[in-house]
Amino acid sequence: RKEVEQDPGPFNVPEGATVAFNCTYSNSASQSFFWYRQDCRKEPKLLMSVYSSGNEDGRFTAQLNRASQYISLLIRDSKLSDSATYLCVVGANTGNQFYFGTGTSLTVIP
Amino acid sequence: DAGVTQSPTHLIKTRGQHVTLRCSPISGHKSVSWYQQVLGQGPQFIFQYYEKEERGRGNFPDRFSARQFPNYSSELNVNALLLGDSALYLCASSFELSPQGYGYTFGSGTRLTVV
Repeated sequence: RKEVEQDPGPFNVPEGATVAFNCTYSNSASQSFFWYRQDCRKEPKLLMSVYSSGNEDGRFTAQLNRASQYISLLIRDSKLSDSATYLCVVGANTGNQFYFGTGTSLTVIP
Repeated sequence: DAGVTQSPTHLIKTRGQHVTLRCSPISGHKSVSWYQQVLGQGPQFIFQYYEKEERGRGNFPDRFSARQFPNYSSELNVNALLLGDSALYLCASSFELSPQGYGYTFGSGTRLTVV
């Protein structure tokens, strides 16, 4: 079983739409959770950390459900510039090794 | 401020050859991790070095090795290259051993093609 599982999509949404991504993780002892964004042929860049209480950064909201072992990312009022692959990332219980999902591809259409 | 720098950016090698990839972390960062990203997949952990010691190793064969230098830069070495080693190799740095709050910062990667 993979450490982190994500729906690869693709998600094609119109500008202004709300879109949600989910991922699940297998190790209940995991301590850290992130969403990274990766543009085509570029490196992953940290979008936001995910905290147990949930957190928001502008149009982006991340939530963590430890009981069900899933993480979500909500993007409101989608912009063309949001088009990218979104990677769900879970830190090992040791904290130093990250497990990445395969990524979910998002295309925002004018 | 310089971010994580990797060299070379692109590389073409022949099966059976050896390759060395280089990484300089953000100034002040003591941890360097290496990840392999095959097309269409998420990055996979190869190694982590912290304060010049290996602190983690992923599920990769012994053909893969790495080291960290006193200035915290790092090299990833791959021997006896296989076609399946073709990938984007990413270096990630952090100040702490376990960057639980802030994650890792990645370099732009080295794209290795094995022919």
